[in-house]
Amino acid sequence: RKEVEQDPGPFNVPEGATVAFNCTYSNSASQSFFWYRQDCRKEPKLLMSVYSSGNEDGRFTAQLNRASQYISLLIRDSKLSDSATYLCVVFDMDTGRRALTFGSGTRLQVQP
Amino acid sequence: ETGVTQTPRHLVMGMTNKKSLKCEQHLGHNAMYWYKQSAKKPLELMFVYNFKEQTENNSVPSRFSPECPNSSHLFLHLHTLQPEDSALYLCASSWSGSTGELFFGEGSRLTVL
Repeated sequence: RKEVEQDPGPFNVPEGATVAFNCTYSNSASQSFFWYRQDCRKEPKLLMSVYSSGNEDGRFTAQLNRASQYISLLIRDSKLSDSATYLCVVFDMDTGRRALTFGSGTRLQVQP
Repeated sequence: ETGVTQTPRHLVMGMTNKKSLKCEQHLGHNAMYWYKQSAKKPLELMFVYNFKEQTENNSVPSRFSPECPNSSHLFLHLHTLQPEDSALYLCASSWSGSTGELFFGEGSRLTVL
């Protein structure tokens, strides 16, 4: 079983649409959660952290459900510039290692 | 000047060649990382250095040899690689003890013939 699992997509949506991505993680002791964004042929960059109470940053809303080991990212009013791969990332510190584990990513294509 | 710089950006090498990838960070961080990104696979952590000391080797084959001479520089020495080692190699840095934000370089795209 993959440690961090995401639907690879692609999600093709029109400009202005609302789109949601989900991610599940296997380690119930995972401590911190993040969404990174990776543009085509570029490096990953932190988009936002994910907090238990849910958090919002402009058009982006992240949610965490620890009981279900599930993380989500909601993008409202999609822009062409949102087209990218969104990586779900989990931080673990329970097995003697401190490291981020990345999902394979969900590709979003926003169309005019 | 970008925070994390990697050279070369592209590298093609034969299986018997020896080459090195270089990473330099200008962010004052004290932890550096090598990740491998293959097509349609998640980023795989290879090595972690904290304060120049290797703190993690994620079962990486010995044909990959890291070197961290100081907190700002990280190398990945490559020797007798296999075609399946072709991938994007990403360097990252962070504060030691950071629980989330890594700053990545643009990567070195390696092709092994």
